[in-house]
Amino acid sequence: DAGITQSPRHKVTETGTPVTLRCHQTENHRYMYWYRQDPGHGLRLIHYSYGVKDTDKGEVSDGYSVSRSKTEDFLLTLESATSSQTSVYFCAISRTGGTGELFFGEGSRLTVL
Amino acid sequence: ELKVEQNPLFLSMQEGKNYTIYCNYSTTSDRLYWYRQDPGKSLESLFVLLSNGAVKQEGRLMASLDTKARLSTLHITAAVHDLSATYFCAADNTDKLIFGTGTRLQVFP
Repeated sequence: DAGITQSPRHKVTETGTPVTLRCHQTENHRYMYWYRQDPGHGLRLIHYSYGVKDTDKGEVSDGYSVSRSKTEDFLLTLESATSSQTSVYFCAISRTGGTGELFFGEGSRLTVL
Repeated sequence: ELKVEQNPLFLSMQEGKNYTIYCNYSTTSDRLYWYRQDPGKSLESLFVLLSNGAVKQEGRLMASLDTKARLSTLHITAAVHDLSATYFCAADNTDKLIFGTGTRLQVFP
């Protein structure tokens, strides 16, 4: 158990609605990541955080924003969901600083109709 | 920009056979990671390769890293059905990991 909880685990929403996914860790690590997984694309990095209020963009950040107001929580927001954002979203932490083995949450499956 | 490519994307193999999955990356990266994912599940770390020439083995899986060739391999020996899963490699890129597209492995009797 990596001490990571994602919520919600499943969500169905409509195009144009805002959606927030939450990643909660119990281990107090600085680095947290949001990836999306799609068939044929593997995992692609959306945003990551290296501390409270410190975030940076990944490969596919357009249409997403993040916030980290507490060490333990990393929020991913889709301001206006689109069907192309239908995906499985994984949160991950690094226990050894920025570069290192990642440990993943159970994933959040989002469907945008 | 670091890019990671895996091949093959899909591998169907008979039990008892050997095979290798290849992971190429485009720019310098000293560390390489392998993960396993079962259908509908999260990713589980298999191997962490930290330097050129590193070799790690666990059961029927062996991973190696050649940083000069920018190549890592995951070798499967005498495959069994329990190894059926999707395998990902990932290379580090300053504070983050970049993943390959994955290799879906199916082992049949």
